[in-house]
Amino acid sequence: GQNIDQPTEMTATEGAIVQINCTYQTSGFNGLFWYQQHAGEAPTFLSYNVLDGLEEKGRFSSFLSRSKGYSYLLLKELQMKDSASYLCAVLDSNYQLIWGAGTKLIIKP
Amino acid sequence: DAEITQSPRHKITETGRQVTLACHQTWNHNNMFWYRQDLGHGLRLIHYSYGVQDTNKGEVSDGYSVSRSNTEDLPLTLESAASSQTSVYFCASSVTSGGYNEQFFGPGTRLTVL
Repeated sequence: GQNIDQPTEMTATEGAIVQINCTYQTSGFNGLFWYQQHAGEAPTFLSYNVLDGLEEKGRFSSFLSRSKGYSYLLLKELQMKDSASYLCAVLDSNYQLIWGAGTKLIIKP
Repeated sequence: DAEITQSPRHKITETGRQVTLACHQTWNHNNMFWYRQDLGHGLRLIHYSYGVQDTNKGEVSDGYSVSRSNTEDLPLTLESAASSQTSVYFCASSVTSGGYNEQFFGPGTRLTVL
């Protein structure tokens, strides 16, 4: 079966750095997405990785290792508004998005 | 500005009733998707469409149907609502069907089946 694992919840301090991990086992791989979802709102796109390595976009970076079935989202200089759920999703061999359950990130002052 | 809207935003219905959730996008995207989101689960795909007159079943399609008569709309119908269908429903659209295909999400519909 297809499976995406992420920690259920993480806590970090304002101004710090946090890394959210995602491991996946899917039938094929055509890219990995990270989305941000604030409570009661729709998911919004953060990043896309299809090749190994690090993609940096401002305070957010996303890393992919296809051989290890592993990705992480790195958030720097945390702000209170970063409190949200972060969803990892993999595009499988049928170009369907398989979603993880999401990681709820709590930022403390 | 282009957008994707859903209506109603909240709905309470009774077991056995037919319910239709609307989704309308002005992105002119070919691809549209319906997901449900429940606590402890990721987004689960219900139905999707790659163009007018095209519809496909997703992972959790039982008890749901869709139709695509134009580019802008993909209504989701619950034929006979069940308590297990209490959930938050998201509609999404994207421009391509493969590779980099960022999906844009509507605001969601919270459905309660009593």
